Amino acid sequence: QSALTQPPSVSGSPGQSVTISCTGTSSDVGSYNRVSWYQQPPGTAPKLMIYDVSNRPSGVPDRFSGSKSGNTASLTISGLQAEDEADYYCSSYTSSSWVFGGGTKLTVL
Amino acid sequence: QLQLQESGPGLVKPSETLSLTCTVSGGSISSSSYYWGWIRQPPGKGLEWIGSIYYSGSTYYNPSLKSRVTISVDTSKNQFSLKLSSVTAADTAVYYCARDERWLQFGIDYWGQGTLVTVSS
Repeated sequence: QSALTQPPSVSGSPGQSVTISCTGTSSDVGSYNRVSWYQQPPGTAPKLMIYDVSNRPSGVPDRFSGSKSGNTASLTISGLQAEDEADYYCSSYTSSSWVFGGGTKLTVL
Repeated sequence: QLQLQESGPGLVKPSETLSLTCTVSGGSISSSSYYWGWIRQPPGKGLEWIGSIYYSGSTYYNPSLKSRVTISVDTSKNQFSLKLSSVTAADTAVYYCARDERWLQFGIDYWGQGTLVTVSS
């Protein structure tokens, strides 16, 4: 059970869009439509932003969207805002377990 | 509003057993749709799922930690607990308890605030 692969960092200016990738294998991301994304500002607990690849929990802005193709899932944040600056983690359900990505630091320039 | 709160020692000696409890309020731990889990995060590093438990006592553990982990549930107290044996400095982390949804939708949707556990003599 290896960690999913995310880029260490991404950045964008306010109003722009950014996409964070999350690459797994045919045993996790590729086999299950059970990918979730979490936002973690410094010093706080993670917050669920996307579940089941592309669904948003109540209260999450529609600027956040998710998708998946093969073994790679993606989180897109459009209309970047300063408050979006945080670490983002993907996770995939696999064989009754959860595996996380290494995290991506989003910087809003 | 569902709330989860971790409690337990913040300092554990090497080779000893780390013990934490999570108290759930604002909802029942016996809800049929949910598991209850533990996730940890070493300082400056990423998240690692430790394991999850159903109110019936059914458990799933991270294969890499399975030999050292025990998660239990006390429905009468609306609590679940984590024991991690033979700890080393590598087990120093913020430990989160959380609700693990695995029914109509899958995701970890409620998290405690986390508690830092340091392994040091």
